[in-house]
Amino acid sequence: GNSVTQMEGPVTLSEEAFLTINCTYTATGYPSLFWYVQYPGEGLQLLLKATKADDKGSNKGFEATYRKETTSFHLEKGSVQVSDSAVYFCARRRDTDKLIFGTGTRLQVFP
Amino acid sequence: DAGVTQSPTHLIKTRGQQVTLRCSPKSGHDTVSWYQQALGQGPQFIFQYYEEEERQRGNFPDRFSGHQFPNYSSELNVNALLLGDSALYLCASSLALGDEQYFGPGTRLTVT
Repeated sequence: GNSVTQMEGPVTLSEEAFLTINCTYTATGYPSLFWYVQYPGEGLQLLLKATKADDKGSNKGFEATYRKETTSFHLEKGSVQVSDSAVYFCARRRDTDKLIFGTGTRLQVFP
Repeated sequence: DAGVTQSPTHLIKTRGQQVTLRCSPKSGHDTVSWYQQALGQGPQFIFQYYEEEERQRGNFPDRFSGHQFPNYSSELNVNALLLGDSALYLCASSLALGDEQYFGPGTRLTVT
């Protein structure tokens, strides 16, 4: 079926550590891919996106590359901060504009 | 420029009751989508409104209905509430169909 799978959390890191959150998708065709972030008590904010294969989305030090061959869109950051603590959602969207989300990965960064 | 706003922030209802949630889209946006986010889960698409019509619908029963007004604001109505309807309800707006969606802070509904 069409779905998005993320690694389970929580991911617990010390400040300045390297972050990877895995995301894979199943879909027919070539969906657009997104990472959203949800800070405590808030709605979702778009973090980055990629609309075609080999595109790299980046924002605020976060990066993700659209890998068609592995159907993946892993989120990475070279040096996390305490303020990055949040829940991260991977999502895909095909032409119809409906977003399909993964279950979310909680990131906890300690000083 | 105000972003997407939702009201109320929190709501407590009893099983069997009906509830109406409201959403005002970001200025200039004409498309509104609604999502349900259960605790510990990702948001699930309920439906989308454009030009005052429901354009797409997710896998939700008819108890969930909506409306879009001429000023593009929208309401989500849920009838005959069940305990399982307890969730964060998110509204998202976009400039047009297929454009980036901006999310509101959500309405947390608790059904007891």
